[in-house]
Amino acid sequence: AQTVTQSQPEMSVQEAETVTLSCTYDTSENNYYLFWYKQPPSRQMILVIRQEAYKQQNATENRFSVNFQKAAKSFSLKISDSQLGDTAMYFCAFMTYTGTASKLTFGTGTRLQVTL
Amino acid sequence: EPEVTQTPSHQVTQMGQEVILRCVPISNHLYFYWYRQILGQKVEFLVSFYNNEISEKSEIFDDQFSVERPDGSNFTLKIRSTKLEDSAMYFCASRLFPGTELFFGEGSRLTVL
Repeated sequence: AQTVTQSQPEMSVQEAETVTLSCTYDTSENNYYLFWYKQPPSRQMILVIRQEAYKQQNATENRFSVNFQKAAKSFSLKISDSQLGDTAMYFCAFMTYTGTASKLTFGTGTRLQVTL
Repeated sequence: EPEVTQTPSHQVTQMGQEVILRCVPISNHLYFYWYRQILGQKVEFLVSFYNNEISEKSEIFDDQFSVERPDGSNFTLKIRSTKLEDSAMYFCASRLFPGTELFFGEGSRLTVL
């Protein structure tokens, strides 16, 4: 079974600063996907960024980037130039590409507070 | 932009009552999911549905739960006899193919008294 661990329950960052959220996972699979989802107070789960395990290059989406270390099974999210609207719960998630299920396994989340 | 919609946004029910949560997935999507998030805890997979049948379910998804796609657009989650521990946010999600982006609805908050 796959597990996803987020060791930082809460983090705080000042506006315009950079913050890194940690995520580690455990799996015996070789082909999989990793995701970061954002859940603002409005509660909808919004995809922030995804990484395919077979790609060595780290994914980047504007101010969001990941540091994917496959051997270490680590997948951290870096948010640059933090904005107040980045305040949310952030979930790391893992997915194998198997058959028709392709379910996501989530970590426990990191609550990020962006302050002035 | 197409989105997954869920109703109701919040439902309060008495223990032992039946509840149906409704979802309208994105129209051309083929794979449908229900996830649950108990307050303060992580999001947990409940069930996946493809080609009009369940493709995988978790141990949470016991005989009290059922899913249905009755009319080709709605995707429902039924809880036959609710328990206090069923109180949670229930998220519907859909995707076009395995491996593509999973789109979530805004969730239905269920409170069982």
